[in-house]
Amino acid sequence: GESVGLHLPTLSVQEGDNSIINCAYSNSASDYFIWYKQESGKGPQFIIDIRSNMDKRQGQRVTVLLNKTVKHLSLQIAATQPGDSAVYFCAERTGTASKLTFGTGTRLQVTL
Amino acid sequence: EAQVTQNPRYLITVTGKKLTVTCSQNMNHEYMSWYRQDPGLGLRQIYYSMNVEVTDKGDVPEGYKVSRKEKRNFPLILESPSPNQTSLYFCASRRWDGNEQFFGPGTRLTVL
Repeated sequence: GESVGLHLPTLSVQEGDNSIINCAYSNSASDYFIWYKQESGKGPQFIIDIRSNMDKRQGQRVTVLLNKTVKHLSLQIAATQPGDSAVYFCAERTGTASKLTFGTGTRLQVTL
Repeated sequence: EAQVTQNPRYLITVTGKKLTVTCSQNMNHEYMSWYRQDPGLGLRQIYYSMNVEVTDKGDVPEGYKVSRKEKRNFPLILESPSPNQTSLYFCASRRWDGNEQFFGPGTRLTVL
């Protein structure tokens, strides 16, 4: 069936460096792609989303890139901080009345 | 404070003993959903609801029931829990047309 997946299960980044978390998706009919952050012991928290007709969207210290040609999504975090350490999930949604499908997650470890 | 609450946060029970995990949101969101999170499998949707008295199956609905009698509440019912339902459960809500989904703090369930 359709699925959302991630390339790297764990990513270690030095504080101050930029982080890039990748995600491959298979459902070309998805309307939105969303990134969530889950800190230890907490529920996932929305970071940023991008509509399928866009290829880039920027937020505060984060940028999401969408490449529909190769069905690839990435989350870039600028100047990574210790508070960015968490598991990051990509998710996709098709239409307004539909569920989110989550990937399995990438753990980001920020080293000092 | 805008939030999703779940109760209980932790529960240990035995096979076959019916249980209910409550979920409530104070944001007047139309959409509510239940997920289970298991190591290596990410977040999988159990059931979701687009509005009062409207529910639909997610990816893993077997062994679960839900109801949506009021807009703010979306309880998850396990009629006859089994050990394979041992998991971390999250309730979430969002506007019907939004991507920002708010998650509860999670309920860790152990079925012996």
